[in-house]
Amino acid sequence: GAVVSQHPSWVICKSGTSVKIECRSLDFQATTMFWYRQFPKQSLMLMATSNEGSKATYEQGVEKDKFLINHASLTLSTLTVTSAHPEDSSFYICSARDWTSGHQETQYFGPGTRLLVL
Amino acid sequence: AQTVTQSQPEMSVQEAETVTLSCTYDTSESNYYLFWYKQPPSRQMILVIRQEAYKQQNATENRFSVNFQKAAKSFSLKISDSQLGDTAMYFCAFMNPDSNYQLIWGAGTKLIIKP
Repeated sequence: GAVVSQHPSWVICKSGTSVKIECRSLDFQATTMFWYRQFPKQSLMLMATSNEGSKATYEQGVEKDKFLINHASLTLSTLTVTSAHPEDSSFYICSARDWTSGHQETQYFGPGTRLLVL
Repeated sequence: AQTVTQSQPEMSVQEAETVTLSCTYDTSESNYYLFWYKQPPSRQMILVIRQEAYKQQNATENRFSVNFQKAAKSFSLKISDSQLGDTAMYFCAFMNPDSNYQLIWGAGTKLIIKP
């Protein structure tokens, strides 16, 4: 149980284009999903917290107009990197809380998406 | 603000040995959770073990156990009978439910199990 998927797992795009990453909770409902960015050999950096049906809460320094987050249902959140530039190249990871389980405090992670902007 | 410190950037042990990874944290909260996550080379984050602060008993999951010292704000992970598949980055994380369940992460410890 508590499986989270991400799609795509790998994406290469040209500078100036937009890329959408999907995060799905496959066997549970997630009222809260989180988006992280991870640089090589570093820990996870929280970008935003996404609550179903409401606007995402962005961390300081994260451009909300550049990283658009939508959490339209209890099983799907999307991150759109708009007008991507090479500095946006990174590993993006989502996670979700299973609010119906006995461990609401636990985040379950997707496998991540590697983004390369040329 | 809460902080999590992992003081060992890298460790290596022989297969079948026991290894302990250190983690300390700082908080003024009384209700919180602590986690160890594992990130193998595939980069998939996997929950290893969790501890509720109000529980005095140390959590265990098969070969993995923690030594939770609440007064000392220490949360170490012990891996017994280490296996090659345990090679990974290990992250310690803190969570206060009143902070929208956000995780505060340590810098990670790279663990290498040698055959």
